[in-house]
Amino acid sequence: DQQVKQNSPSLSVQEGRISILNCDYTNSMFDYFLWYKKYPAEGPTFLISISSIKDKNEDGRFTVFLNKSAKHLSLHIVPSQPGDSAVYFCAASGIGANSKLTFGKGITLSVRP
Amino acid sequence: DTGVSQNPRHKITKRGQNVTFRCDPISEHNRLYWYRQTLGQGPEFLTYFQNEAQLEKSRLLSDRFSAERPKGSFSTLEIQRTEQGDSAMYLCASSLDAGVYGYTFGSGTRLTVV
Repeated sequence: DQQVKQNSPSLSVQEGRISILNCDYTNSMFDYFLWYKKYPAEGPTFLISISSIKDKNEDGRFTVFLNKSAKHLSLHIVPSQPGDSAVYFCAASGIGANSKLTFGKGITLSVRP
Repeated sequence: DTGVSQNPRHKITKRGQNVTFRCDPISEHNRLYWYRQTLGQGPEFLTYFQNEAQLEKSRLLSDRFSAERPKGSFSTLEIQRTEQGDSAMYLCASSLDAGVYGYTFGSGTRLTVV
């Protein structure tokens, strides 16, 4: 049972354009959401997060939007750069879950020069 | 401090053999987590420690798996009688207290069971 879903396995965008990565979840007990970036042969690296009490969080070129009613979040990268090419994982954590993270399957982003 | 260190980086073993992986967390981090990632999937939680106490284990962690964190420092994950289905990337992460914010992952140990 996939509680965190990233339905698109890949996304290709032109350098300078916006990348929008989507994530859906099914567990209403999740209260904290994170995005991780992963390069080959490396562990996931934390990118940005959002608490369930917010609907938007911004950090430089990265913005995460949360729609609790739709159980949907998205990561916007503007402008996209070739160095952003990596696998992006959406993850969620629940109240009292001891910081255990539930991850989606990931989406491979390719930014074309 | 160079972050979370995992050894070995790669391990190839024959089915039925036992393997042990090591994780050295960031020194001041009191929480340590093990995750497993198979091809095409995201990392899946296996277990976590607060200091030396193992506080939660996933259903994924069969009886063939055991993890320890003696003295609340480094941790080991042992798999006995390995099966081909154990082939995966085993990731370790550490954090200070319960915050998900400060989760730092290691580069992982890739296990191949032949």
